[in-house]
Formats: sequence, C-alpha cells, structure tokens
Amino acid sequence: GQQVMQIPQYQHVQEGEDFTTYCNSSTTLSNIQWYKQRPGGHPVFLIQLVKSGEVKKQKRLTFQFGEAKKNSSLHITATQTTDVGTYFCAGLLRGSRLTFGEGTQLTVNP
Amino acid sequence: DAGVTQSPTHLIKTRGQQVTLRCSPKSGHDTVSWYQQALGQGPQFIFQYYEEEERQRGNFPDRFSGHQFPNYSSELNVNALLLGDSALYLCASSLGQRYYEQYFGPGTRLTVT
Repeated sequence: GQQVMQIPQYQHVQEGEDFTTYCNSSTTLSNIQWYKQRPGGHPVFLIQLVKSGEVKKQKRLTFQFGEAKKNSSLHITATQTTDVGTYFCAGLLRGSRLTFGEGTQLTVNP
Repeated sequence: DAGVTQSPTHLIKTRGQQVTLRCSPKSGHDTVSWYQQALGQGPQFIFQYYEEEERQRGNFPDRFSGHQFPNYSSELNVNALLLGDSALYLCASSLGQRYYEQYFGPGTRLTVT
C-alpha cells in the first residue's frame, strides 16, 4: 500500500537555528499537505502543495513539492520556541485517502 | 464560527466493551473523516463519511463502524475493544468529498484496560 516516510523522527535545535523535515512517498501524489501538532494538541493544517516543483512560503516556513511529486520538504528559518511541535506531511494519492507520515518532533532550546 | 468539536474528551473502557465517539464538524463542512493516532505516531485513516455514507475506508477491522447524520455530525463506534485500541481518536471535517484542508477536532483519548 501507499507509504509516506518522514525523516528525521526527532530534531533538537537551538533557538535561531534552521530546521528541515523531509517527506518521501513510494508513489506519485496528487497533492501533499503539511500539519503541525503541538504537544497535547491536535493537527493543524499549514499548507497544501499541488503542482510539481511548487514552492510556497509562510513567513519563516518554506514548503517544497518535488518535481516527480514523490517528495516534499518543510524548512523553518531561524527557529523560535513557538515552533515546538510535531510536523506531519500527509500525501494524497489520486482516488485514495490521505496518508500521514510518522512526523518529525521538533524541540527548540532557548 | 464553531470549529470541530468532539465528545467525550477522555474515556476509559474495559476489554470487550463497546464505545461510541461523537463529532460535530466545522460550520459549513459536510465531510467527516476519522483517524486513530497512537502515541508517537501519525494519524491513521479509519474512514470518511459524506452524504451520510461511508465513502472510503482504511485498514481497520469491521469492529470499527460509523454513521453520519443529516446535520453532518458523525459517530465512531468500536465493538469488542482490545488493549491495542487505546489511542487518540481524531475527527476531521472538510468541504466536499475531498481532503482539502482538513480541520481537526481536539480528539477523544480512549484508554482500554
């Protein structure tokens, strides 16, 4: 079945450092979504990427969708303590269901 | 504008029992998806309801069933509970039978002893 792999599983950074999480699919995706889940909270939608090679920015967050639509990345510039949480990618295969990766848990040391 | 609500917040059940979880979607949304999230894992898709019918189903046994009502609210039922069913159950709503921008509820934490 469709699998969405996400690395790294954990990332510890000092405040001000950059952070990147990577998402890879075994099959071509229709779109990919990114969610953030704070400790003890629920996933919150961040963004959706649809087009091959698409790049979107939200303030310090940069999202990319690979040319083959099989991989994606989320990059945070100059992390802040408010960035703490687990970041999930979720891939949608045409005609199928949304499949979440295992997430990257980010901790930021002040 | 009310977001997605779920009840109850927490629940403790014994093996073999049955449980019903409830979800009210965000105002204006007509599609509800249910997910199971084990500790330290990503959400796993259980099923999706649209127009009061189950439209898609993940790899979950028939012990997991659901329902959607005319007002778009939904229930998740789990029969013959197992210890492995202990998890956070998340409801997500969206507009249309698609997976664009899902809004998640706070979840129901189910513990099976």
